[in-house]
Amino acid sequence: DTGVSQDPRHKITKRGQNVTFRCDPISEHNRLYWYRQTLGQGPEFLTYFQNEAQLEKSRLLSDRFSAERPKGSFSTLEIQRTEQGDSAMYLCASSLGGYTFGSGTRLTVV
Amino acid sequence: DAKTTQPNSMESNEEEPVHLPCNHSTISGTDYIHWYRQLPSQGPEYVIHGLTSNVNNRMASLAIAEDRKSSTLILHRATLRDAAVYYCILRDVPGAGSYQLTFGKGTKLSVIP
Repeated sequence: DTGVSQDPRHKITKRGQNVTFRCDPISEHNRLYWYRQTLGQGPEFLTYFQNEAQLEKSRLLSDRFSAERPKGSFSTLEIQRTEQGDSAMYLCASSLGGYTFGSGTRLTVV
Repeated sequence: DAKTTQPNSMESNEEEPVHLPCNHSTISGTDYIHWYRQLPSQGPEYVIHGLTSNVNNRMASLAIAEDRKSSTLILHRATLRDAAVYYCILRDVPGAGSYQLTFGKGTKLSVIP
């Protein structure tokens, strides 16, 4: 069990570019979550998968955001036409019962 | 999820016990009390959870008030590695609703050597 892996750890991108983050959950965990965290705040829920089905989406997840979990294993989170307000830590977590979080991808939009 | 209230920050001396309070006056009968902590540059990690009775594990103890309107996370001997933001979260029984965790701002614990 190597925990939840996220890639990349850091991403700097220019405004307007598209970015994609990857999350590899713990292999036997059927639930996968994406959260966003800005400085000084707690993580905010974005979306949740059970196996490959996306079952919940926060209103924070605008049309520019899309998440997939094609085979019920790894997941990707894509942000199109990035804006400076998208700068944040993007956290992935997986669970069977209790949550295990990854270390996050820190996005900076310049 | 019901709301929790925590102090913004606390300080502790190293090797002394720390009591981190959480108020949750609107807790429902099926809400579990969860604690997570987040070390600098890391994702949150699970600490402990309970429903009604006090709970102990290798990381901490959780003391739950009899009326369940408040709880206290107890670190028995604070170390420098315990410096983190501690989140108290209420979550309904699995399958009763959303599986998401609703984080507040938490309590930032500083440990003084």
